[in-house]
Amino acid sequence: EVVLSQTPLFLPVVLGQPASISCRSTQGLVDVSGNIHLNWFHQRPGQSPRRLLSKVSERDSGAPDRFSGSGSGTEFTLTISRVEADDVGVYYCMQGTHWPRTFGQGTRVEIK
Amino acid sequence: DVQLLQSGGGLVQPGGSLRLSCKASGFTFSVHAMSWVRQAPGKGLEWVASIYDGNNDTYYSDSVRGRFAISRDDSQNTLSLQMKDLRAHDTAHYFCVQGYYHLPVWGQGVLVTVSP
Repeated sequence: EVVLSQTPLFLPVVLGQPASISCRSTQGLVDVSGNIHLNWFHQRPGQSPRRLLSKVSERDSGAPDRFSGSGSGTEFTLTISRVEADDVGVYYCMQGTHWPRTFGQGTRVEIK
Repeated sequence: DVQLLQSGGGLVQPGGSLRLSCKASGFTFSVHAMSWVRQAPGKGLEWVASIYDGNNDTYYSDSVRGRFAISRDDSQNTLSLQMKDLRAHDTAHYFCVQGYYHLPVWGQGVLVTVSP
């Protein structure tokens, strides 16, 4: 099973400042077609998760452009260029390359 | 508008059974794989099962294989999860999700509580 390890697990942030979350995989996530199925989700309290990014860096149409993704191999990063109040909640990485699908533990983002 | 509307959660005794349903709208259900993901209270996300479109191949997590069954009715745009031999650690919110690579669309979630 592919294990995804997120760091940090808790991230206090300052409004307007950048923030980043790391996701490390125990295996490479490239499939036979050369795609990397690494996704990022945001979950606010009491809500369903919402996808922000797929395939490492492809931003969803509803996701603000302050969110970006990068990485390769087994190391991936979600970056928020300037944190806004609406960004609080828990962020999860998830791999869709190998079975079983797996999620990171989640990173809780709060405003300082 | 793409939507997944879930039903079927509730309280069930250990060893009991429950069936969850998910009604899809706003997209061509028959050409999309579908999945179930769950979240125990205060915990993280856990993938449960997926079903392909077309050949209806299924995949399960080790924790539910043999007890849960994912199925689909393309004529009714409905995804189901039949759960049996439920245990306390199956208590969670269960989410119906489009796809199995990237999970772009999520249902509202339903709570399943397994307790005497």
